[in-house]
Amino acid sequence: SYVLTQPPSVSVAPGQTAAITCGGNNIGSKSVHWSQQKPGQAPVLVLYDDTDRPSGIPERFSGSNSGNTATLTISRVAAGDEADYYCQVWDSSSNHVVFGGGTKLTVL
Amino acid sequence: EVQLVESGGGLVQPGRSLRLSCTASGFSFDEYAIHWVRQAPGKGLEWVSGISWNSRGIDYADSVKGRFTISRDNAKSSLYLQMDSLRPEDTALYYCVKDICPLSSTSCYLDYWGQGTLVTVSS
Repeated sequence: SYVLTQPPSVSVAPGQTAAITCGGNNIGSKSVHWSQQKPGQAPVLVLYDDTDRPSGIPERFSGSNSGNTATLTISRVAAGDEADYYCQVWDSSSNHVVFGGGTKLTVL
Repeated sequence: EVQLVESGGGLVQPGRSLRLSCTASGFSFDEYAIHWVRQAPGKGLEWVSGISWNSRGIDYADSVKGRFTISRDNAKSSLYLQMDSLRPEDTALYYCVKDICPLSSTSCYLDYWGQGTLVTVSS
């Protein structure tokens, strides 16, 4: 089955840029989607199809996907961005939704 | 406004059964695939099962295949998860999640999540 690998944690100072990676075999050939989960809350979609933002998501959230790595980038990080972030793809070989293990973003 | 409300969770002994429900509103339920995704305490997200708009496309994670059964009633805008032979490792918050497509595929993704219902499997 397809495996997505995320770093367990990323730390960044307020106002700086955070980059959260999602690794997978030839992930660049897939569409990658990202969700944000704040403590005690349900996940919220923040990026879909590698680079697109749902309505209401700030332009500070952007993404890229190439080769074996997809990246969620959050610019001008604020305390309110502190959350767990999950990447997600559809694995056509198994017909399964696949999530990465999640990355905890800490704002220092 | 899209809303997904799960119910039916609770404390159950290992080996017993439980049926979860999800009631949807704010969108045309019968036009979209819907999924169950779970999250064990302090852990990440795990996809459990998905069902297409017309119930003809159904898939399960290997960890629940043969024990869980997903179903839907479009007339009632409701999704169900029948969980049999429950194990302690099934303990989790179970989310009902809407897909953007009628049948999940490469170009599809999960866009709206419910608040979840907690299932605890313990003696």
